[in-house]
Amino acid sequence: LAKTTQPISMDSYEGQEVNITCSHNNIATNDYITWYQQFPSQGPRFIIQGYKTKVTNEVASLFIPADRKSSTLSLPRVSLSDTAVYYCLVGIYSTLTFGKGTMLLVSP
Amino acid sequence: EAGVAQSPRYKIIEKRQSVAFWCNPISGHATLYWYQQILGQGPKLLIQFQNNGVVDDSQLPKDRFSAERLKGVDSTLKIQPAKLEDSAVYLCASSLAGGPGTDTQYFGPGTRLTVL
Repeated sequence: LAKTTQPISMDSYEGQEVNITCSHNNIATNDYITWYQQFPSQGPRFIIQGYKTKVTNEVASLFIPADRKSSTLSLPRVSLSDTAVYYCLVGIYSTLTFGKGTMLLVSP
Repeated sequence: EAGVAQSPRYKIIEKRQSVAFWCNPISGHATLYWYQQILGQGPKLLIQFQNNGVVDDSQLPKDRFSAERLKGVDSTLKIQPAKLEDSAVYLCASSLAGGPGTDTQYFGPGTRLTVL
C-alpha cells in the first residue's frame, strides 16, 4: 500500500490560496490520488480525485506532477468554513488508507 | 438524494458490555464500509462489504467485533465485549460500486462510542 506524508497542520487567512502537498513516493501504476475533507463531528467528505496532471472542480484543484510521487491540493480564496482536516489517500477503492491528515486553520 | 444514515449518534457503555451500531447506505450503493476513528487520528477501515459479501476484514478484531450486511443493504456492527480502547467514532460509508479509481465514498455522521 502506498504510504502518504502530509503536513500535520497549516495556518492561513481568509481570502488566501492554500496549497497542501502530499508525498507518496511508492505510488503504484494503478493508484489514484483522492482528497477528503473532514469537519469536527462529521464524516469525511470527498473533495477531488485525480490520476495525473491537473484536475479542477468547483471546490479545489489537484496538481499531480509527471512522476506522480507527490500531489498538491489547492484551495482558492479560503474562508473560515474551510477550517478542517484534509486527508490525502492513494490507492484504489478498498486499498485506500487514511493517514492523520492536515489540520487547516483559517483565521480572519 | 438521502445520505448515509447511522444510529445511534452517541452511545455510552461500561466495559465488557455489548453494543451495536446500525448503518443504512445510500440507495443503490453496492459497497459498504465500516471505519473506526480514534480521536486525533484518521479513519481506519474495519470491514468492507460488496453487496452482502465481505471484501476486506483484515483489520477487524474478530474476537470482539462482528459485522453483517443482510440482503446487501443495511449493516450492523457489533462489539462484544467492549474495551476501554474501543472508545472512538464509528463511521459508515458507502459507494456505488467496487470499481477502482473513481469510486467515491460517502460517509455518514458517525456514532460516537464512549466506553467507561
